[in-house]
Amino acid sequence: EDKVVQSPLSLVVHEGDTVTLNCSYEVTNFRSLLWYKQEKKAPTFLFMLTSSGIEKKSGRLSSILDKKELFSILNITATQTGDSAVYLCAAPFSGSARQLTFGSGTQLTVLP
Amino acid sequence: DVKVTQSSRYLVKRTGEKVFLECVQDMDHENMFWYRQDPGLGLRLIYFSYDVKMKEKGDIPEGYSVSREKKERFSLILESASTNQTSMYLCASSLGRYTEAFFGQGTRLTVV
Repeated sequence: EDKVVQSPLSLVVHEGDTVTLNCSYEVTNFRSLLWYKQEKKAPTFLFMLTSSGIEKKSGRLSSILDKKELFSILNITATQTGDSAVYLCAAPFSGSARQLTFGSGTQLTVLP
Repeated sequence: DVKVTQSSRYLVKRTGEKVFLECVQDMDHENMFWYRQDPGLGLRLIYFSYDVKMKEKGDIPEGYSVSREKKERFSLILESASTNQTSMYLCASSLGRYTEAFFGQGTRLTVV
């Protein structure tokens, strides 16, 4: 059965810390893995990863995919209170191959 | 910019009422999705559609139906609302099979 599993479920850090969020997946005919950030409203897109070992970077956020070990990590360096959010990873599942299925998310809280 | 618009931000309905949640996207995306989001359960896919008049069940379709009469509009219908359908409902659209999804602002539905 296809699935996406995130860990940890929640994380509390202080400003300036570096955090690593994990996403493991089991997806038949894997094509891509996506990361989203959700604050109080709708999820906003961060990264899409399709190739193993190639880091995607945006400011203090970066992400990488390991297709051999079937996981991805999202790193946030020098965290700020504005990074507090739920971080979601998702993958399109096979079968009809259209549905985007999400992990349960990691709730990140950054304290001042 | 892609815009996905949900008709209501907040709704309060009574048990047994028929409820319509509307979603419109303006980027000619093929795929549209309805999710519900509950604490501790993440985003769960209710239904999705990959073309006009086409629909497929997601993980939790029971108690819901959908309609896609036009490409830009995807409606979620609660035939007879129940209190366990109190949730945040998120609509999303995506262009291709494995591309990122863009989300609407969400509808927080309370069934009393």
